[in-house]
Amino acid sequence: NAGVTQTPKFRVLKTGQSMTLLCAQDMNHEYMYWYRQDPGMGLRLIHYSVGEGTTAKGEVPDGYNVSRLKKQNFLLGLESAAPSQTSVYFCATQLTGGEVYEQYFGPGTRLTVT
Amino acid sequence: DAKTTQPNSMESNEEEPVHLPCNHSTISGTDYIHWYRQLPSQGPEYVIHGLTSNVNNRMASLAIAEDRKSSTLILHRATLRDAAVYYCILRRYNQGGKLIFGQGTELSVKP
Repeated sequence: NAGVTQTPKFRVLKTGQSMTLLCAQDMNHEYMYWYRQDPGMGLRLIHYSVGEGTTAKGEVPDGYNVSRLKKQNFLLGLESAAPSQTSVYFCATQLTGGEVYEQYFGPGTRLTVT
Repeated sequence: DAKTTQPNSMESNEEEPVHLPCNHSTISGTDYIHWYRQLPSQGPEYVIHGLTSNVNNRMASLAIAEDRKSSTLILHRATLRDAAVYYCILRRYNQGGKLIFGQGTELSVKP
């Protein structure tokens, strides 16, 4: 079992370029999340999905889009990257909704926008 | 969202117990108390959670005050591998399961 994997691990973009981050899970979890973490800070929720074909906004959604076409994959897109989006991006999954279930996190993608 | 307050940093000696405090004075009756930790250069990992009663698992113990306005994560014998940022998080019913992270407590462990 790979758990939660993220692709790529590192990426450098120029301002205005676009890219897609892929999160894949093999645990058959319903819920998936994208967080970002800036230096010295806790994680902040960007978007999340409660099931295949659904997405919802989190705390800091501006500048990002997401899609969940397949249950096992959750994609995070940056259409026009800005230096303020330099961060470490973490994907997480949860079996289903509710406040008792734990979230499983991927290893992160370190993105630098110059 | 209910807020939690944790010390910015704590130090411990290896093989000694560590008590990490968390204040959550605005907790509501249905909020669960969760703890996650983040090792250097890794994603967060779940540690433990509870509602009203004290909880134990293989990683740690969670002691919850009777009025639920504070809690303490207890690592019984700290190891060097326990050096991490520990986050105390309140999770509310019907919020999409999202986690609201504060700044956490950075725990350093001395050999």
